[in-house]
Amino acid sequence: AQSVSQHNHHVILSEAASLELGCNYSYGGTVNLFWYVQYPGQHLQLLLKYFSGDPLVKGIKGFEAEFIKSKFSFNLRKPSVQWSDTAEYFCAVNSLYGNNRLAFGKGNQVVVIP
Amino acid sequence: DVKVTQSSRYLVKRTGEKVFLECVQDMDHENMFWYRQDPGLGLRLIYFSYDVKMKEKGDIPEGYSVSREKKERFSLILESASTNQTSMYLCASSLWVRDRGLASKNIQYFGAGTRLSVL
Repeated sequence: AQSVSQHNHHVILSEAASLELGCNYSYGGTVNLFWYVQYPGQHLQLLLKYFSGDPLVKGIKGFEAEFIKSKFSFNLRKPSVQWSDTAEYFCAVNSLYGNNRLAFGKGNQVVVIP
Repeated sequence: DVKVTQSSRYLVKRTGEKVFLECVQDMDHENMFWYRQDPGLGLRLIYFSYDVKMKEKGDIPEGYSVSREKKERFSLILESASTNQTSMYLCASSLWVRDRGLASKNIQYFGAGTRLSVL
């Protein structure tokens, strides 16, 4: 079964700092990759996704992620964070030709200090 | 916009009670999912369904059952609630995708969640 690893569960940083969250998955076949974000008190929403094509994908609010197939990775980045980026971030992966279910990582709790 | 609606935001139940969590989606999606979300554990799949009356166990089905009598509605049932089922429960839906050309449709949309406390 697909498994997803996210390291450094708690991340604390100051405004304007750069953010990078790692995501590694186990299955080497054709996959779809996602980052979801959950702001405090809000529902889980899609931040960005990769299906095919350019491995560098851009999402909402200045986030981007890079798919590196050889490393089974899909790391999330933002060059300069804001206080409003305080949230929990989840990486998710699925195998398209499976049963459409997603495997989620355990999440990164990011706190941005003003 | 896709809308996934969970009937309750907060529920408080007693140990041993039968609990129903309801989820409705308005986008004619084939797939529906129930997760529980716990701090430090991320989202864990309880059950999912890819068609009416069809269900499959996820990673942590013990103590839960589901019902899908209509395409738009997916219910999670706790037959006899226990304190270790205190959690945030999330429902999601997506299209059923087999064709690589439709991969862009394979996005899960989530409801706002139900925070269940079992006392």
